[in-house]
Amino acid sequence: DAKTTQPPSMDCAEGRAANLPCNHSTISGNEYVYWYRQIHSQGPQYIIHGLKNNETNEMASLIITEDRKSSTLILPHATLRDTAVYYCIVGDFGNEKLTFGTGTRLTIIP
Amino acid sequence: NAGVTQTPKFRILKIGQSMTLQCTQDMNHNYMYWYRQDPGMGLKLIYYSVGAGITDKGEVPNGYNVSRSTTEDFPLRLELAAPSQTSVYFCASIQWTGREELFFGEGSRLTVL
Repeated sequence: DAKTTQPPSMDCAEGRAANLPCNHSTISGNEYVYWYRQIHSQGPQYIIHGLKNNETNEMASLIITEDRKSSTLILPHATLRDTAVYYCIVGDFGNEKLTFGTGTRLTIIP
Repeated sequence: NAGVTQTPKFRILKIGQSMTLQCTQDMNHNYMYWYRQDPGMGLKLIYYSVGAGITDKGEVPNGYNVSRSTTEDFPLRLELAAPSQTSVYFCASIQWTGREELFFGEGSRLTVL
């Protein structure tokens, strides 16, 4: 069973920040939170990951709550090319069984 | 450095036929995975391997077999194909002690008629 819960779909206006939530209430202490996205039928693409602290890279920011039971992926200035399905997964070296949930279908509206 | 390579990209099978989906990675990753994705759905884990000679079942292993004789190769075999196995299959690999990014192949679209 997937260890994360995400809303099935979201819309965001082009140029605005897209905030995608993920619930992972059963996360263990050494599990990381990973975000991937899938555009059309391509293989999923890595976005970002984090353990406890907030993380930022050239694509996005990841905000993890203090209790680590939920996180938010932020795309600061969404473009039409960000339309995709976004997956939040948890895993670590000791949890080789990486399972994906159903993800959030993000649609960027012009 | 080709990353993760899957073959074939497309295949049509008749019910009851068998075939092998090939997956090769050239990044010396220790972990490899096979997922399937049905239309409009998320990815389901079929089998995974933590190293040569070691494989384990994922969420939906029935109807499939795998082997991992080398670090590079992780073939997925379908025995007695059924229409329910019509799907897009993705192979992926990761080196957990490295960047920890899961690298995916381009996918293999299989149709069973």
